[in-house]
Amino acid sequence: AQTVTQSQPEMSVQEAETVTLSCTYDTSESDYYLFWYKQPPSRQMILVIRQEAYKQQNATENRFSVNFQKAAKSFSLKISDSQLGDAAMYFCAYRPRTGANSKLTFGKGITLSVRP
Amino acid sequence: DTGVSQDPRHKITKRGQNVTFRCDPISEHNRLYWYRQTLGQGPEFLTYFQNEAQLEKSRLLSDRFSAERPKGSFSTLEIQRTEQGDSAMYLCASSLDKGAGQYFGPGTRLTVT
Repeated sequence: AQTVTQSQPEMSVQEAETVTLSCTYDTSESDYYLFWYKQPPSRQMILVIRQEAYKQQNATENRFSVNFQKAAKSFSLKISDSQLGDAAMYFCAYRPRTGANSKLTFGKGITLSVRP
Repeated sequence: DTGVSQDPRHKITKRGQNVTFRCDPISEHNRLYWYRQTLGQGPEFLTYFQNEAQLEKSRLLSDRFSAERPKGSFSTLEIQRTEQGDSAMYLCASSLDKGAGQYFGPGTRLTVT
């Protein structure tokens, strides 16, 4: 079974600084997708960034980028120039590419606070 | 363009009552998912539809839970004989294909008293 681990329950960053959120996963699959989702307080989950395991190039979306290390099964999210609106819970998620299994497997999340 | 919508947003019910939630996915999305999220945890998968076919169900989905997606459009999730342990946020998500990200609705927060 696939598992996703986010070992840091909370992190804090100064506004305009850079922060990295860690995620590791375990799978026997060779091809899969990885995602980072953001869930602001009392608001809905938003897709931040997506990585395809067969692509070596790390995904980037504006201030958000990932460091995907397939051999280490590590998938960290870097937020540059942090803004107050980045404060939220962040979830790492995994989904296999092939087979009938279509569900996302989530980590427990990490709460990010941004200090003004 | 509207996102995924869910109704109601909040539901308070007494233990033993039945409740039904509705999800309207993004219109062109053929895949629809239900998840449950408890406080401080990540969402846990409940069930998945491709068009009108329910293709996967989690072991979390006991016999008291049933989901439908008639005509492959909106979906309903019914919980019969609710228990206090059913209190959670119920999230619906949709996607266009398997490789795409899933887009989530605002959720229905269920409180069972």
